[in-house]
Amino acid sequence: QVQLVQSGAEVKKPGASVKVSCKASGYTFTSLDINWVRQAPGQGLEWMGWMSPNNADTGYAQKFQGRVTMTRDTSISTAYMELSSLRSEDTAVYYCARGITAGVDHWGQGTLITVSS
Amino acid sequence: QAVLTQPSSLSASPGASASLTCTLRSDINVGTYRIYWYQQKPGSPPQYLLNYKSDSDKQQGPGVPSRFSGSKAASANAGILLISGLQSEDEADYYCMIWHNRAYVFGAGTKVTVL
Repeated sequence: QVQLVQSGAEVKKPGASVKVSCKASGYTFTSLDINWVRQAPGQGLEWMGWMSPNNADTGYAQKFQGRVTMTRDTSISTAYMELSSLRSEDTAVYYCARGITAGVDHWGQGTLITVSS
Repeated sequence: QAVLTQPSSLSASPGASASLTCTLRSDINVGTYRIYWYQQKPGSPPQYLLNYKSDSDKQQGPGVPSRFSGSKAASANAGILLISGLQSEDEADYYCMIWHNRAYVFGAGTKVTVL
């Protein structure tokens, strides 16, 4: 069955960077995009961008341009999302989600990133 | 004005039907968009329910009960998620989503309470 397993929670200081991993299994990793979505405490969902594991193409939400980088390692079927210059407003649960022809279907379990001094 | 507007909450009784709306900003026409719907329960990631573009172009998520269905109200420029025969397990947050200007956009979500 399709699974996306994310790395564990982290606490970061303002100004630091964080890199979240998302290991895919149960399907051909390079055949479908990976999207990243975040959710601040008690808030709604916010899309950050997508990455094609096949050719490393990316597309980022305007809000995160210049601060987010999405990469992958096809040898271990893992996608990464790195967010830099962290501030308190970046405290959120970060999800990876598999992109399909129409929308996104399977989601990772989420990774809580806390930004605090 | 937000791209997608959802009512913040909705309450209904078990066995009743609940109609959740997702209104598109007035400058974008619901007819040209595919509307995606997700259900999220506390402490869990969102679950894909279905997508709807037209009666002849729609997909139900794997294992999603048929009592969840999608439609559009063109006059209101809105997508609709209908939950028939509400059950206590349907109590959750529901989000709509579209692909707009090369980005996915979510509505703010509707909290459904089953009384």
